Amino acid sequence: GAGVSQSPRYKVAKRGQDVALRCDPISGHVSLFWYQQALGQGPEFLTYFQNEAQLDKSGLPSDRFFAERPEGSVSTLKIQRTQQEDSAVYLCASSLGRRGPYNEQFFGPGTRLTVL
Amino acid sequence: GDSVTQMEGPVTLSEEAFLTINCTYTATGYPSLFWYVQYPGEGLQLLLKATKADDKGSNKGFEATYRKETTSFHLEKGSVQVSDSAVYFCALSGYNFNKFYFGSGTKLNVKP
Repeated sequence: GAGVSQSPRYKVAKRGQDVALRCDPISGHVSLFWYQQALGQGPEFLTYFQNEAQLDKSGLPSDRFFAERPEGSVSTLKIQRTQQEDSAVYLCASSLGRRGPYNEQFFGPGTRLTVL
Repeated sequence: GDSVTQMEGPVTLSEEAFLTINCTYTATGYPSLFWYVQYPGEGLQLLLKATKADDKGSNKGFEATYRKETTSFHLEKGSVQVSDSAVYFCALSGYNFNKFYFGSGTKLNVKP
């Protein structure tokens, strides 16, 4: 079956522009996660959804970052008034989200954002 | 707070050499530990995991043992192949698995 897909794969924005990054999780996956991966670093948690509810947004770096998942499936990460420090790969992951010892997170290929 | 520290790369080895990539962690409670691999041009893939102390995760010839006494989860492989060239990330997660903490990654280059 299809894995997690993200679009666009590459995005170049001028400083100050707004961008929207899309994530299509694996069908039936309840939980969805966004991560930011700077060049040469590991992914850093941004936010987490269970169905349409955003349960943790502690990793969002500023109020310019906004994420939504209105129908509990597709999610969009929006960055307003982009800055150069926002340049990174944005990763989306999904999981079954069941209670218990482990739910593997399946990662998409990422969107590489470059802010000029 | 929770965190993961892994050895810096790049690590360059000849084919069939022994591989160790060190990973240590700091966490409250009893985290689960993971190794993810990122091949060139691809997304992160789970390589192996261990959910409690003394568990050994293994996959594709790679192994890692959850050592609570040394807060470590070192990745090992007895004989690397060129196809193992990738970036390896150590990660931890608490019981709810709502948030993963990743190390900074270790790039492995395997030469023929």
